[in-house]
Amino acid sequence: GAGVSQTPSNKVTEKGKYVELRCDPISGHTALYWYRQSLGQGPEFLIYFQGTGAADDSGLPNDRFFAVRPEGSVSTLKIQRTERGDSAVYLCASSSRTDDEQFFGPGTRLTVL
Amino acid sequence: GEDVEQSLFLSVREGDSSVINCTYTDSSSTYLYWYKQEPGAGLQLLTYIFSNMDMKQDQRLTVLLNKKDKHLSLRIADTQTGDSAIYFCAERDWNNNDMRFGAGTRLTVKP
Repeated sequence: GAGVSQTPSNKVTEKGKYVELRCDPISGHTALYWYRQSLGQGPEFLIYFQGTGAADDSGLPNDRFFAVRPEGSVSTLKIQRTERGDSAVYLCASSSRTDDEQFFGPGTRLTVL
Repeated sequence: GEDVEQSLFLSVREGDSSVINCTYTDSSSTYLYWYKQEPGAGLQLLTYIFSNMDMKQDQRLTVLLNKKDKHLSLRIADTQTGDSAIYFCAERDWNNNDMRFGAGTRLTVKP
């Protein structure tokens, strides 16, 4: 089937606004990951889901960031009161099991003005 | 700062071999990966190696691992212009869910 998809591909918002970024993992993949990639850097882990639960959210930078995966498939990364420093590409990946290869989506480029 | 370090740029001529180097600090890392990122595209897994291996070869790609020095390298034989991209080294401990990436090496292949 299709690979990991992410929407929107680009999001421009103003400082202080709320944004939601969506990830559609590969069908049947139980593990889902969110990463953030700042300009000129490698991806940085944010949060990991196994099924519906956030098994590891140690990478979320602060409480403005939250993610859900209510039915164990699609996930939404939510950022409240966006700041200019939140500007980055947000990558989603999924794998069939925790220790299997992670397949990455194309990312959502978030720009906070 | 980064736990995984890479040189930022590499330029080679088409047909030459490319060697991209990486150092990591976590001796407990179990899996070591090489990803390729082209403009506007997601990360593509090229190859990976388990920490109990010294070398892995896959067509034009050769991965060498020196556990003592915590050094990982990716050699691309007969480099083509289509190999131009950013290459990321990443490590993961089987106990952890997160993968730690280097900042990436931008490979430029000149015709």
